[in-house]
Amino acid sequence: DAGVTQTPRHEVAEKGQTIILKCEPVSGHNDLFWYRQTKIQGLELLSYFRSKSLMEDGGAFKDRFKAEMLNSSFSTLKIQPTEPKDSAVYLCASSQDWGYEQYFGPGTRLTVL
Amino acid sequence: GDQVEQSPSALSLHEGTGSALRCNFTTTMRAVQWFRKNSRGSLINLFYLASGTKENGRLKSAFDSKERYSTLHIRDAQLEDSGTYFCAAEVDSGYNKLTFGKGTVLLVSP
Repeated sequence: DAGVTQTPRHEVAEKGQTIILKCEPVSGHNDLFWYRQTKIQGLELLSYFRSKSLMEDGGAFKDRFKAEMLNSSFSTLKIQPTEPKDSAVYLCASSQDWGYEQYFGPGTRLTVL
Repeated sequence: GDQVEQSPSALSLHEGTGSALRCNFTTTMRAVQWFRKNSRGSLINLFYLASGTKENGRLKSAFDSKERYSTLHIRDAQLEDSGTYFCAAEVDSGYNKLTFGKGTVLLVSP
């Protein structure tokens, strides 16, 4: 059984561009999460879906960050427009349901110039 | 302030020795997960606890929701145990989201 997959693994963008990160959760998992990881802030939650419904959109990240889950096996995180401060590792995780552990993908390392 | 306070931030051990990592919580947590970041940067699941203790090989974890803490004990440390360890906890809110500690960088030396 494949774990959580994320593409691309690395992305380099110019300031002001639009980028789309992709995630495929573990098959059969109902919950999907997007996190951002930086050295200073650590891991921060961006978005949280339960059965494809958006449960949390990350407050401070609302403006330029938009996560979508068009079907139960695929999610995207769009950043528009990108800024240099968005440089970070973006992690996707999934969980079978409430009360079950989360499994993380390998992440996408984003560099915004 | 941070809901999950992880300590120490860095730890050095000699092979064969052991120690404990700790996470204190400022609010009631429903469950805790422990992860290790591998050499490729992926988070590897170590433990998931809603209460009590779990053991796996040389690792043992405990979680006390009432006392608001969790620990990860490493015994007989090996060189390959080196890496960054994270605890993450679920707030007892009905939502399944994790709040992470800042991590502990463990270095095991010969």
